[in-house]
Amino acid sequence: QGQLVQSGSELKKPGASVKVSCKASGYTFTQYGMNWVRQAPGQGLEWMGWINTNTGNPTYAQAFTGRFVFSLDTSASTAYLQINSLKAEDTAVYYCARDRYSGGSYEDYWGQGTLVTVSS
Amino acid sequence: DIQMTQSPSSLSASVGDRVTITCRASQSIRSSLSWYQQKPGRAPNLLIYTASTLQSGVPSRFSGSGSGTDFTLTISSLQPEDFATYYCQQGYSTPRTFGQGTRLEIK
Repeated sequence: QGQLVQSGSELKKPGASVKVSCKASGYTFTQYGMNWVRQAPGQGLEWMGWINTNTGNPTYAQAFTGRFVFSLDTSASTAYLQINSLKAEDTAVYYCARDRYSGGSYEDYWGQGTLVTVSS
Repeated sequence: DIQMTQSPSSLSASVGDRVTITCRASQSIRSSLSWYQQKPGRAPNLLIYTASTLQSGVPSRFSGSGSGTDFTLTISSLQPEDFATYYCQQGYSTPRTFGQGTRLEIK
C-alpha cells in the first residue's frame, strides 16, 4: 500500500522561495511518475504538471512554467516542488499524487497536502 | 486545453437517495476520465478511473459510465460519509484538467 507524506505548512513573504517535499513509501519510487496539484483557498483542483521519476523529466502546465520547479531525490524516494519569487496568489494547498495509466492518466495515491501561505 | 464541465455545481440530497453527477468534456476523451471525492481539509480520494473502473476499496454504491464527451458518476444509495465535493478529471491529454467540482450537501 503506497503512501505519500508531505512536508509541513509554510509561511513565506512575497518574493521568497519555498520547497515542498513529498516522500513516498510502500512502492518502488521510480516505477511511477509524480504529479503536483494546486488548490487555492475555497477553489477547485488545478493540475500543475508531473515529473517522470525514472528520467527526471518534468512537464509543466502552461500556468506553472517559469517559477515552478519539480525535482527528485530518488535515493530518498522524495519528490520536490519549489516555487520561486512567491506571490500572494500562490497561497494554496499543494498536493503530490502518484501517477497511473490505464487507458488514460490518473492519480491514485495522494499526499496529505502542504499549505503554503504568502503574506507580508 | 480540454475543458471539463460538471453539473450540477451543488446538490442537496438525503441519506438513501440515488444521485447522479455529470461531466462533459469539450472534445472526445475516449474513456480517459476519473472521479475523485474530497472532504473538507482532506486530500482528494480516487473513486473511479477509466470512466467506469472502481478503485480498490471504494464501496460498490459508486459507479461510473460514459465515453467520448459525456460521463456520469452515480451513487446508488447515499450514506452519511458521502457528503463531500466530487471532481472529474480528464487524463486523455496534457494538461490534465479537472471539472469545477460538485458539492453534495445534506438535505
